[in-house]
Amino acid sequence: GAGVSQSPSNKVTEKGKDVELRCDPISGHTALYWYRQRLGQGLEFLIYFQGNSAPDKSGLPSDRFSAERTGESVSTLTIQRTQQEDSAVYLCASSLDNRPNYGYTFGSGTRLTVV
Amino acid sequence: AQTVTQSQPEMSVQEAETVTLSCTYDTSENNYYLFWYKQPPSRQMILVIRQEAYKQQNATENRFSVNFQKAAKSFSLKISDSQLGDTAMYFCAFGPNTGNQFYFGTGTSLTVIP
Repeated sequence: GAGVSQSPSNKVTEKGKDVELRCDPISGHTALYWYRQRLGQGLEFLIYFQGNSAPDKSGLPSDRFSAERTGESVSTLTIQRTQQEDSAVYLCASSLDNRPNYGYTFGSGTRLTVV
Repeated sequence: AQTVTQSQPEMSVQEAETVTLSCTYDTSENNYYLFWYKQPPSRQMILVIRQEAYKQQNATENRFSVNFQKAAKSFSLKISDSQLGDTAMYFCAFGPNTGNQFYFGTGTSLTVIP
């Protein structure tokens, strides 16, 4: 697609429920990133995918968080047993490769609210 | 460890005036990239300008320019002739040549006053 697409745009869920967030990167971008943005804070790295290599999961805050990506296409971020501290905007970004040269192209994010 | 610091949580500027947003970073790497991203209320992060650390010349993109001081690890953004559409959060980001992530500051909320 022309840009990075994320869905849903907004999600309100009850504490304890599971949620799944979707990211559709730019076609041909081999690198895909998930970041979390809490209110009033910067972006916090969660996970990175590069082609068919093993993902870098070093930023995932707990084992309730997981993500998958099929090849170089869609990625899903799953949060199990959501907690109120999970409320944040989840941003997905993609880039042509894993070199930082040209920066990322970001999606518009999913705003998750856990009530 | 890489860190990025933006010491100005909020700033305002009169329309058509010039404003400078500050950013400092800490790294032991020699080759890296620096970026300024704009995040309007739509939430989408938009790349404003980038700088390659090995280039001494400061990057410029129309009304946006940077003052890159490598020795001081400083990377400020200057917005000239500010426009109402410049109102947004601005994030400074550090992209190392090694590793799998960028490092972001906490942002500066800029308001352009008509």
